[in-house]
Formats: sequence, structure tokens, C-alpha cells
Amino acid sequence: DVKVTQSSRYLVKRTGEKVFLECVQDMDHENMFWYRQDPGLGLRLIYFSYDVKMKEKGDIPEGYSVSREKKERFSLILESASTNQTSMYLCASSLLDRADNQPQHFGDGTRLSIL
Amino acid sequence: LAKTTQPISMDSYEGQEVNITCSHNNIATNDYITWYQQFPSQGPRFIIQGYKTKVTNEVASLFIPADRKSSTLSLPRVSLSDTAVYYCLVGNNAGNMLTFGGGTRLMVKP
Repeated sequence: DVKVTQSSRYLVKRTGEKVFLECVQDMDHENMFWYRQDPGLGLRLIYFSYDVKMKEKGDIPEGYSVSREKKERFSLILESASTNQTSMYLCASSLLDRADNQPQHFGDGTRLSIL
Repeated sequence: LAKTTQPISMDSYEGQEVNITCSHNNIATNDYITWYQQFPSQGPRFIIQGYKTKVTNEVASLFIPADRKSSTLSLPRVSLSDTAVYYCLVGNNAGNMLTFGGGTRLMVKP
């Protein structure tokens, strides 16, 4: 079974802090994703990566950056946290298969509160 | 990006069949239709995926008409543990730009 592990289930930070959210997958997947989930808005894609050191903006990249130095690890960075970034953050991974569509596998999320 | 529209919520009773329909009028030729289930405090979990006609697995069926502008997730004989939010997604892995809508909150009652 694919396992996507997010480093923290709950995190509390202060406005202006630099925040790192870590995600690790154990299935050698090429693709990795970061979403945020807010009530009434569903999941919104922040960034994704299809290879080491590669990244693409999703729907809401403003205020975030990402890092993918190793294939199994994808980090989300809040350069200067703000209260409107309080949310549930979900990481996912999937196999890159251009002949077929592979589903995404999700971690259990990090609930981040910015005070 | 193909956007999806699905009901905000549905109620059902144990043992009933539940059908959740998703509209995706601007689906592209190479897009797949994928459904996920999410329980509170967990990440979404893949249920089923299809491209056209009908797909069935051990937990659900997916019906896709010929024009592919909509799809219906069918859950046979639901139980209380099927209470969750169900998301319909349209997209393809090559583009990696999947868009999650607001989902359908299914409440199964005893």
C-alpha cells in the first residue's frame, strides 16, 4: 500500500514566521502535490511537482513556495505566514503514467493554525 | 480545466443504493473521471475511475454516458460507515491539473 506521510497532524505558528510542511511518500512516485482544504471550498491545488527540482503552480500559489530536492520528499513553505493561511494542508502523490491515468494517494493532512 | 458540479449534500438510509451525479460539461477528450471519498480528519481516498461506459469494482460502480458530460457514482447498499464527502474529479495525469469541486456530503442514517 502507498503511504504518504505528513510530518505533523497539527501545527500552530505565529504571523510572520517561516513555516515548513513536509511530505514523504514511499512508492517512488514521480508526481507530488500540495493542496489546502477550507470549509465550503473543497480542495485547492497550491503546487505540484512531476520530478525532482521541478515544480508547477496550481490554482493558488500566492504566498507559498515548494521544494523537491529528493524524489520521495515534497516540502511546502510559507515564507511569511499570515492568518489567512490557517487551513488543512494535504499532500498527495501519484505515479506518472502517460498511457493511463493513475490516482492520487493522500496523506492525512496537517491542520495549520496561524495566530 | 474541466470544472465539476455535484450536489452539496445527500441523505440516505442504511441498505439503500445511493447515486451521486456529477456534471462536467467541458470535459476534454483525454480526461478521466475519478471519484474520491473523504472522512473527517483524513485525506481523500480513491474509490473508482473511468473514461467511458461503466466501471465496477468491489465498492462502487461508475456510469458514464456516451457524451461524457456527466457521470454517476453508485454505492450499493450503503452503511453508516459510508457517511463521508465524495469528490468528483475530471482531468488527466499527464497534465496533473486536477480540480476538486466542493464535494457531496453523504449522510447515511440508520
